[in-house]
Amino acid sequence: QSALTQPASVSGSPGQSITISCTGTSSDVGNYNLVSWYQQHPDKAPKLIIYEVNKRPSGVSNRFSASKSGNTASLTISGLQAEDEADYYCCSCARSSSEYVFGTGTTVTVL
Amino acid sequence: QVQLQESGPGLVKPSQTLSLTCTVSGGSITIGGYYWSYIRQHPGKGLEWIGHIYYTGSTYYNPSLKSRLTISVDTSRNQYSLKLSSVTAADTAIYYCARAPRAVGITISHFDSWGQGTLVTVSS
Repeated sequence: QSALTQPASVSGSPGQSITISCTGTSSDVGNYNLVSWYQQHPDKAPKLIIYEVNKRPSGVSNRFSASKSGNTASLTISGLQAEDEADYYCCSCARSSSEYVFGTGTTVTVL
Repeated sequence: QVQLQESGPGLVKPSQTLSLTCTVSGGSITIGGYYWSYIRQHPGKGLEWIGHIYYTGSTYYNPSLKSRLTISVDTSRNQYSLKLSSVTAADTAIYYCARAPRAVGITISHFDSWGQGTLVTVSS
């Protein structure tokens, strides 16, 4: 099972909106509404920010939103802030529905 | 608030078995509705799902690791463990344990609580 494809890096200025894509196949992203997104600051554990395509856990800023179309999921960060500078990973249920695959990861830089 | 903590040797010799334990606090590992997972991250790289276990002992493994992998649960100690045999330098990574809510009709939905991670280096 290959990793989901994400852009290596995305950047934006404070206050702007950016979108990170996560492209899979009809065997993973396209077949399950179980895409989740994780934020990882340097030397920290990943933190869940989106689950089941577009749901936000309690305590996660509403500046984070997400969607899915076909085999591609997307995470949007609006009103970009310095604290949003981190690596972001998508994840999806895959194939037999008992396997899970992460994205290649995207580094977000706040200019 | 559930907390997870990985423990185990930070250095393992090639061809030996990597053993890690995840201790769960703030909640019972036998609570229904959650699987208990392992995920790893090679240095400077992305995340890789390793596998997960339900408190009943049902396991799901990454096919690429399945032949070398065993995940088990000790409900009396509120812990679960990973054993990865015949390790090589390619198994050097930060290993995370994480809690994963069940999904209807499938095993898990996402990973909602993570341990801090532990670096395991495979080297002679």
